[in-house]
Amino acid sequence: DTGVSQDPRHKITKRGQNVTFRCDPISEHNRLYWYRQTLGQGPEFLTYFQNEAQLEKSRLLSDRFSAERPKGSFSTLEIQRTEQGDSAMYLCASSSGQANSPLHFGNGTRLTVT
Amino acid sequence: QQPVQSPQAVILREGEDAVINCSSSKALYSVHWYRQKHGEAPVFLMILLKGGEQKGHDKISASFNEKKQQSSLYLTASQLSYSGTYFCGTDRPSNTGKLIFGQGTTLQVKP
Repeated sequence: DTGVSQDPRHKITKRGQNVTFRCDPISEHNRLYWYRQTLGQGPEFLTYFQNEAQLEKSRLLSDRFSAERPKGSFSTLEIQRTEQGDSAMYLCASSSGQANSPLHFGNGTRLTVT
Repeated sequence: QQPVQSPQAVILREGEDAVINCSSSKALYSVHWYRQKHGEAPVFLMILLKGGEQKGHDKISASFNEKKQQSSLYLTASQLSYSGTYFCGTDRPSNTGKLIFGQGTTLQVKP
């Protein structure tokens, strides 16, 4: 169990640019989640996958955001035409999918939009 | 509905006790407790499902009241390693893992 890994750890981009983040979950976990966290707040749910199927998307996830998990393993989160309000920590988590199983979070990708 | 945590922040000396509360105006299906140290991932502590439940390991324990509208996290004889931000989160009966987190309680333990 190597844990959930996210890449990159930090990303600085200019407004209007596109960015893509990657998440590698714990290998045997079939559920993968994306959360966003701003300073002084708890993580906010964005979307989640069961294997390769995206089962739910938050209303927070505008059309500029897209997430994929093509083979049911790693996932990518892309933000198009970034805005300063997108600046946040983007956290990925995975779970076994069993009832009431805990989320295992990665260390996150900190995005700064200038 | 986002649960409300109190207090927002706590400063303790090593060996002192702390209680962090997580409340909701409606009954919660479950309460999940996580701790996040600065710059690190949130780490799962425990989950409570039943009204009246109490659970704990080492010197960190939690309770869930009978009406399932409040959970409390108890940290006894605090250690420096307990410092961090504590979040409670709640899931839906469908067990999707889509947690709605409270705003967090920052705990600082000083020597």
